[in-house]
This record gives sequence, C-alpha cells and structure tokens, in this order.
Amino acid sequence: DQQVKQNSPSLSVQEGRISILNCDYTNSMFDYFLWYKKYPAEGPTFLISISSIKDKNEDGRFTVFLNKSAKHLSLHIVPSQPGDSAVYFCAASSDSNYQLIWGAGTKLIIKP
Amino acid sequence: DADVTQTPRNRITKTGKRIMLECSQTKGHDRMYWYRQDPGLGLRLIYYSFDVKDINKGEISDGYSVSRQAQAKFSLSLESAIPNQTALYFCATSDSTAGQGLYETQYFGPGTRLLVL
Repeated sequence: DQQVKQNSPSLSVQEGRISILNCDYTNSMFDYFLWYKKYPAEGPTFLISISSIKDKNEDGRFTVFLNKSAKHLSLHIVPSQPGDSAVYFCAASSDSNYQLIWGAGTKLIIKP
Repeated sequence: DADVTQTPRNRITKTGKRIMLECSQTKGHDRMYWYRQDPGLGLRLIYYSFDVKDINKGEISDGYSVSRQAQAKFSLSLESAIPNQTALYFCATSDSTAGQGLYETQYFGPGTRLLVL
C-alpha cells in the first residue's frame, strides 16, 4: 500500500502559466515533506521542502503548500518555464523512522 | 565533474549471476544510500549507511548486500540476480552535519540501469 501517492502520472501546462502538482499521503506520522525534480538520464535533485509545523514554504517560483488535515501537499510553479519540464517526486519522512517514502512521480510538460 | 558517480551506467546480466554496482562521491558526505526505481513506483530504499561502520537495511533489502569500503565508496551487490531486480538503481549521499538532523538533503548519482535476463 503506497503511503505517498501522486495520482497524476503527467501534467501539461502552457509556458508562463501556473503548474500545480499534487501529492497525498496516508501516514499521519510523516512530519517532513520534500519535492525532488528529475531530468532524463540524471538522478533526482532536491527542489523544496516543508516541515509539518508550517503550511507554506516559498522559494522563488516554487511554493509548497501543506494541508495536514487533508493529508495533502501541492507544489506550485509560477510562472512555468520550459526548463521546468521534468518528473517531480514527492517524498515524506517521519522522525521515528528515518526513511524517505517516495511517490511515483508526475511528469510535467511545459508547452511553448 | 560529477559529485556522485555510479558505475556502470548500464548493465545487462543473466539470471543467477553476481553483479556489483559501485558508487563514489567527492562531496565528503558521511551518509550514503542505495535506492531502486521501478516504473509506476517511487524510489524505494534498499540499504543505507550513516558511516563506514554503520550499515542498515531499508525497505527492500532482500536479495541485496552492500559494502561501505570507505567514506566515499558504497557498493551494492546482487548475489544471484533475478529478473524482478531489473530496475533503475540510484546511489545518494547526505551530510549529517548540514540541515536539520535527519532531514538533510540527499544528492543523487545519475543512476544505473540494470536488466536481468
């Protein structure tokens, strides 16, 4: 049973518009969440993270929102750029069990 | 130059063969990890090492073994490869002295694509 779910395998967005990637989790013990970005033939690279004591974290064009009651987080990219085309992974961890649990990823395609 | 390197990048082997995947890092990080990625699934942790003398099993360690030869080197072995070990394998590192304790950023190598026939 997947504890971290990214239900959209792919997402297509027009350049300049907002991209919203979603992630749901089932384990209420998760207290830290991360987003990684992956280009083809490369390993994932860290993008942004959020602790469960916050509901929002922003870094330039990237903002992550956390809704603990809904066990849902989202990554907003504004404005979307062609270089943002990649696979985005959501991952979660808890203090009691040090392992990152990963979602299956969402492939984001930015159309020119 | 890449900070985390993996060799080989691609490998085809046969069922029953022993195979070793190697990972080296020049980042000076103390923690190293091995993951596998399968289509439609996220990355799953196989083994992790917090220092040279500390090796821990991850979520899916059965059929795998590891060796931390030095702080900079962490090898993953498949003692007797089977077809369902066909996957993309990633090595990662992190620095326990940076960030927030358990939640330091992990840095990934480019991956090794393994096909077991």
